[in-house]
Amino acid sequence: DAKTTQPNSMESNEEEPVHLPCNHSTISGTDYIHWYRQLPSQGPEYVIHGLTSNVNNRMASLAIAEDRKSSTLILHRATLRDAAVYYCILSRGYGGSQGNLIFGKGTKLSVKP
Amino acid sequence: DVKVTQSSRYLVKRTGEKVFLECVQDMDHENMFWYRQDPGLGLRLIYFSYDVKMKEKGDIPEGYSVSREKKERFSLILESASTNQTSMYLCASSLGSRPQEQYFGPGTRLTVT
Repeated sequence: DAKTTQPNSMESNEEEPVHLPCNHSTISGTDYIHWYRQLPSQGPEYVIHGLTSNVNNRMASLAIAEDRKSSTLILHRATLRDAAVYYCILSRGYGGSQGNLIFGKGTKLSVKP
Repeated sequence: DVKVTQSSRYLVKRTGEKVFLECVQDMDHENMFWYRQDPGLGLRLIYFSYDVKMKEKGDIPEGYSVSREKKERFSLILESASTNQTSMYLCASSLGSRPQEQYFGPGTRLTVT
């Protein structure tokens, strides 16, 4: 299975944009890129996913490199509530058991007031 | 909003006891999942289910079994609890058409003494 590499931790200031990087150099053509986050004492929360094109939703944007070997989750204006562990996950395809998520260690994001 | 509830937030059991962890979702999702989360190891998939009475092993099924008699309910069973099963247990659900957009419950912290 393709692996992802993320920094262990990052810091941001409140109300500034945050760019969370993820490397996935062994990604295959059918692997989807997913981002989840986990706030303290809560279960993980789905953030966004994509395959090739950049994606936007109400929570964040996902920028995918042209060669798909890396991606960046963008939080446009960090708030204190965004302090969490962010997981970048690859899944093969989008259905059946091939689509199961494999969580890595993620990036712990701290947001300073 | 999707709601996934778990029967207990905290549970303490003795070695050798049979333990039932219950999970209920209210959005008519076809897929349900059980994970455990341990420091340094991240989330690992124990079992999942695509439909009522269907179950599939995840990455670490040993020592666990599951039951899905109704669509909204997925139970994790520890036949004979051991201390190495002390962990945070997380349940998730998703639509059959969007299996990787998973909605997680708050988790059950199980301690086996």
